[in-house]
Amino acid sequence: NAGVTQTPKFRVLKTGQSMTLLCAQDMNHEYMYWYRQDPGMGLRLIHYSVGEGTTAKGEVPDGYNVSRLKKQNFLLGLESAAPSQTSVYFCASTMGRSTEAFFGQGTRLTVV
Amino acid sequence: GEDVEQSLFLSVREGDSSVINCTYTDSSSTYLYWYKQEPGAGLQLLTYIFSNMDMKQDQRLTVLLNKKDKHLSLRIADTQTGDSAIYFCAESIEGNFNKFYFGSGTKLNVKP
Repeated sequence: NAGVTQTPKFRVLKTGQSMTLLCAQDMNHEYMYWYRQDPGMGLRLIHYSVGEGTTAKGEVPDGYNVSRLKKQNFLLGLESAAPSQTSVYFCASTMGRSTEAFFGQGTRLTVV
Repeated sequence: GEDVEQSLFLSVREGDSSVINCTYTDSSSTYLYWYKQEPGAGLQLLTYIFSNMDMKQDQRLTVLLNKKDKHLSLRIADTQTGDSAIYFCAESIEGNFNKFYFGSGTKLNVKP
């Protein structure tokens, strides 16, 4: 079982560049999330989706966009990367009112 | 917003018990969770407790919930070097789909 897969695992961007992080889950989960993890700050929710074709803002949405065109995929886009977006990004998914969120392995992004 | 707080570090000797503490602010929490993150990996659910329970035991893990004080703890008996990781406390709130609020994480260091 693949679970939740994130690509890429590492990336270095220059300020102003754009990129898309891909999250794919093979568990038929309804809910998907993008978090960022920064030292001493835990995980903060960027955007989330409660189903195919729907997205919503989390705690720290500025500078990011998302799309959920297919149920199994949740894309996180950075249109113009900034050094403040240097972080580790985690995707997660849950099935409805499940008690467990399944996490991907993370994407370490550095913006220089 | 919801606030989940944890101490940042804990150091114990192999074979001792570890107790990781967490406080939260929202009294309408439905579930409270403990996740483990090993270096370079995503978060893995260790255990969870429903908010109407006081205690849950699962092998070496004991979760205690004091709902009055909004205090959650995770006790790891006979701590091993393989338990060295970051432990995150998280809560989810009834009626807020499956939004998870994470603490900043406690880094557990187990000395041989």
